[in-house]
Amino acid sequence: RKEVEQDPGPFNVPEGATVAFNCTYSNSASQSFFWYRQDCRKEPKLLMSVYSSGNEDGRFTAQLNRASQYISLLIRDSKLSDSATYLCVVIHYSGGGADGLTFGKGTHLIIQP
Amino acid sequence: NAGVTQTPKFRVLKTGQSMTLLCAQDMNHEYMYWYRQDPGMGLRLIHYSVGEGTTAKGEVPDGYNVSRLKKQNFLLGLESAAPSQTSVYFCASSLKETQYFGPGTRLLVL
Repeated sequence: RKEVEQDPGPFNVPEGATVAFNCTYSNSASQSFFWYRQDCRKEPKLLMSVYSSGNEDGRFTAQLNRASQYISLLIRDSKLSDSATYLCVVIHYSGGGADGLTFGKGTHLIIQP
Repeated sequence: NAGVTQTPKFRVLKTGQSMTLLCAQDMNHEYMYWYRQDPGMGLRLIHYSVGEGTTAKGEVPDGYNVSRLKKQNFLLGLESAAPSQTSVYFCASSLKETQYFGPGTRLLVL
């Protein structure tokens, strides 16, 4: 099983709909979780951190399920500008440095007018 | 505050040529990283640095070397480019967990 897995999509969603996708991770000792957004031919940018209690930022909600080892991202009232690839990041600390940081391959989201 | 910058933005090399990619950050971050991104493969860590003068191997270090002589700069070198190194290269820096990426360098090796 790969360390961090995401459904590559694409998810084709009509404007205004709600869409959700998950990211599963294999290392139960993972400690920190994030969602990044990457637009076509651009660099990834932090979208939001994921906390155990769940967190919300406007139309975006991120949740962590430690028991089942996945994180989720829910987007409400989707906009055309939400079209992008969403990358999950999972970090486990194994002595410092970046060796415990893993990016998922991303989920491609297309919002259709 | 420019954040993370990368030079060049685009480069075409012939097999066997060498080149250096430069990454610079003005946020006083300790950690810096070099990734490559290929279709269907996601971001893969090449090398990283936890501070000036230190470097470490990531997931795919073969064929690359790095140097961190100054805190703000992280150089990625290709001594003898191969077509398999055609990719988009991203540099990133971080203070703690959040990574800030540069705009990327598109490299084509013929």
